Amino acid sequence: EAQLVESGGGLVQPGGSLRLSCAASGFTFSSYWMHWVRQAPGKGLVWVSRINNGGGYTTYADSVKGRFTISRDNAKNTLYLEMNSLRAEDTGVYYCASEVFAYENYWGQGTLVIVSS
Amino acid sequence: DVVMTQSPLSPPVTLGQPASISCRSSQSLAHSDGNTYLNWFQQRPGQPPRRLIYKVSNRDSGVPDRLSGSGSGTDFTLKISRVEAEDVGVYYCMQGTHWPYTFGQGTKLEIK
Repeated sequence: EAQLVESGGGLVQPGGSLRLSCAASGFTFSSYWMHWVRQAPGKGLVWVSRINNGGGYTTYADSVKGRFTISRDNAKNTLYLEMNSLRAEDTGVYYCASEVFAYENYWGQGTLVIVSS
Repeated sequence: DVVMTQSPLSPPVTLGQPASISCRSSQSLAHSDGNTYLNWFQQRPGQPPRRLIYKVSNRDSGVPDRLSGSGSGTDFTLKISRVEAEDVGVYYCMQGTHWPYTFGQGTKLEIK
């Protein structure tokens, strides 16, 4: 069974940093583009970043460009999101997801990031 | 960014009755590769989104055929032929033709 498990969330002060991880299993991770999507408390879904299957192509939402870095390690079946200069508006649940237009689509349960002093 | 506008936001639904959600995009979602990258997701409380429909009308595995997607260009619809209790949740349309991918604001389906 395919599974994505996020980790690394927590409470961080404004201006701080966090590194999220997303461990994949049960599918050929290296064949899929991967994404990070976030959801502020009680709000809708917002795309954050995506990375191609080889890791050489990345794109970001304007709100995180220059502060967040997406990467992947296909040998470890793991996706990452390095988040720097965190702001209160970055607070929310961060989901990793496999390519949403492929035949199969997988989502993790999410990890909560709270940016607060 | 492409704005996705859903309506209604909280339709009154009754068990066994049909329901429909409209999604309109601010730009055409027809891609030059011939595909239209429009998906529908359901999110239940405390759960991650679950994809129901991809590329306008393709149902995901395990999704009942009571649910169907249709549309083209800028106008899309998710239809539920007979609402069941398991259909409660928030429904989102999303587009992936233009970066950044964008979601609609969500339609909350509650059984009256």
